[in-house]
Amino acid sequence: AQKVTQAQTEISVVEKEDVTLDCVYETRDTTYYLFWYKQPPSGELVFLIRRNSFDEQNEISGRYSWNFQKSTSSFNFTITASQVVDSAVYFCALSDTFYNQGGKLIFGQGTELSVKP
Amino acid sequence: GAVVSQHPSRVICKSGTSVKIECRSLDFQATTMFWYRQFPKQSLMLMATSNEGSKATYEQGVEKDKFLINHASLTLSTLTVTSAHPEDSSFYICSARVGGSAEAFFGQGTRLTVV
Repeated sequence: AQKVTQAQTEISVVEKEDVTLDCVYETRDTTYYLFWYKQPPSGELVFLIRRNSFDEQNEISGRYSWNFQKSTSSFNFTITASQVVDSAVYFCALSDTFYNQGGKLIFGQGTELSVKP
Repeated sequence: GAVVSQHPSRVICKSGTSVKIECRSLDFQATTMFWYRQFPKQSLMLMATSNEGSKATYEQGVEKDKFLINHASLTLSTLTVTSAHPEDSSFYICSARVGGSAEAFFGQGTRLTVV
């Protein structure tokens, strides 16, 4: 069965601290996509990153970075020098099939990040 | 970029009435659309997958007679919540996939409140 686990329900940090959001996934497929989304209070889902299962290179985008490790089935997300505007719920998600079911996402429980000034 | 528009963004309806939510792909043709539901402080759960011109596939536990999905064109899918009850109050969000692609794009979501 496919599953995404975000063990951290809530995280609270002070502005400028670094914070890592954990994501562990389960799938029997050898080809799949992993995603991170940000959900501010307005509810819309803001796409952050997509990573396919063949690409284990870490990615950095500004203050955001992602660490993908197939050996531990993890896809962790780090925010460096956090800001108040980073406060939101963050979801990790898995798309378990490239082709036939591509786009159908299995979401983790979400991590609510609160960045205090 | 790919834009998906969902309407309305918020709706309040009386118990027992039906509500229709639209999901439109504005700049691409979506062969497949997905409908998710999110209760407060919870994750997003897939309700159903709709393919243009065919019946939707519902996830286990989702009542197909209560949540009617129509995907009549390559740019529009609708979700109708029939005989809504307060427990149907939730955030509903759609996503649309380009045929052959593994990527889907999300609408803005609809917050439904049944009173």
